[in-house]
Amino acid sequence: DQQVKQNSPSLSVQEGRISILNCDYTNSMFDYFLWYKKYPAEGPTFLISISSIKDKNEDGRFTVFLNKSAKHLSLHIVPSQPGDSAVYFCLGGSEKLVFGKGTKLTVNP
Amino acid sequence: DTEVTQTPKHLVMGMTNKKSLKCEQHMGHRAMYWYKQKAKKPPELMFVYSYEKLSINESVPSRFSPECPNSSLLNLHLHALQPEDSALYLCASSSPPGGNTEAFFGQGTRLTVV
Repeated sequence: DQQVKQNSPSLSVQEGRISILNCDYTNSMFDYFLWYKKYPAEGPTFLISISSIKDKNEDGRFTVFLNKSAKHLSLHIVPSQPGDSAVYFCLGGSEKLVFGKGTKLTVNP
Repeated sequence: DTEVTQTPKHLVMGMTNKKSLKCEQHMGHRAMYWYKQKAKKPPELMFVYSYEKLSINESVPSRFSPECPNSSLLNLHLHALQPEDSALYLCASSSPPGGNTEAFFGQGTRLTVV
């Protein structure tokens, strides 16, 4: 049972444009959601979080939107930069943190 | 100090060996986690410790034995592993589970079982 789903394994965008990474979840018990960025053979790096009672959180170039009725969240990165190229994981949080499968973002110069 | 430190970074062990992975944090976090990540897969939760007590075991085989000797340390004892246990093992810590804050991850231990 996959509680957190990232249905797009990869995404490619041009530098300066918007990257939109999507995430769906099935577990209504998640209290919050997190987005992490990961490079191969390294630990995940925190990007941004959102409480389940909010619908938007913004931090610099990163904005996360939560649609609780649709059980859907998205991460917007604008403007995208080549250094943003990595695998992005969506996590659902309660007493444990559950990872989605990840989306590999490539930002082309 | 917002670091989670994992040692060793790399470990090669035979199937009859006993070894331990170590994780340390000094952020006062009272929840600590072990994850296992195979190539091209997301990290999978193994164990959660909350206030030094094991709160979640995701049906992990007994050849993996976690230990939390104090609030800053988390160990994973390994014994009689199989080659398919080769993976990146990640440790994380956070405010108590459900605390709605970020979790900090270590850089992982790359384990190879031969």
